[in-house]
Amino acid sequence: EADIYQTPRYLVIGTGKKITLECSQTMGHDKMYWYQQDPGMELHLIHYSYGVNSTEKGDLSSESTVSRIRTEHFPLTLESARPSHTSQYLCASSTTGRDTEAFFGQGTRLTVV
Amino acid sequence: AQTVTQSQPEMSVQEAETVTLSCTYDTSESDYYLFWYKQPPSRQMILVIRQEAYKQQNATENRFSVNFQKAAKSFSLKISDSQLGDAAMYFCAQSPGGGADGLTFGKGTHLIIQP
Repeated sequence: EADIYQTPRYLVIGTGKKITLECSQTMGHDKMYWYQQDPGMELHLIHYSYGVNSTEKGDLSSESTVSRIRTEHFPLTLESARPSHTSQYLCASSTTGRDTEAFFGQGTRLTVV
Repeated sequence: AQTVTQSQPEMSVQEAETVTLSCTYDTSESDYYLFWYKQPPSRQMILVIRQEAYKQQNATENRFSVNFQKAAKSFSLKISDSQLGDAAMYFCAQSPGGGADGLTFGKGTHLIIQP
């Protein structure tokens, strides 16, 4: 299995709480990504980073924010969780170049009540 | 804009049989990659097979092969000798220019393996 880890795996939290989803990889990859996946639906890119201090928004608008202070770490934060944020969040990483693949974490299933 | 369409929400196959999962896509790029990813229940999504659009030869990885029809923008996955461990969600995806950037995914096909 790929060396990319997400914590927690499952999170149930009340509306208005601040949450941070953790993602770490030990492969030294420069590129990291956050995808949102609703049940039975495709993955949508919400954030990506090409390296330290680089973050960009993806195709799907999201109220979450990300940071990339260290190469191996790419946390996602929701300042005030809402039920509409209930979803699965997948983190991925890859090397730079053409012939590369994305390595995915196991995901965090977030439920906001 | 890129789109990926998987028209089979669920497929079922007997163990040891062959199954084909369908995928069509649309893109305005001339240089792109196509992928099939497998997502087992509660486990990490992993890459099954990858195809570069400029290569005419269909990619093959052991029991997994693709039928890439560039003109028809079709990219189906064939799984031969299906095994219980093949049960998973399968996602078709594409990216412009290769690599993992800008991946666009289909909605997935849930593959059930009947023992």
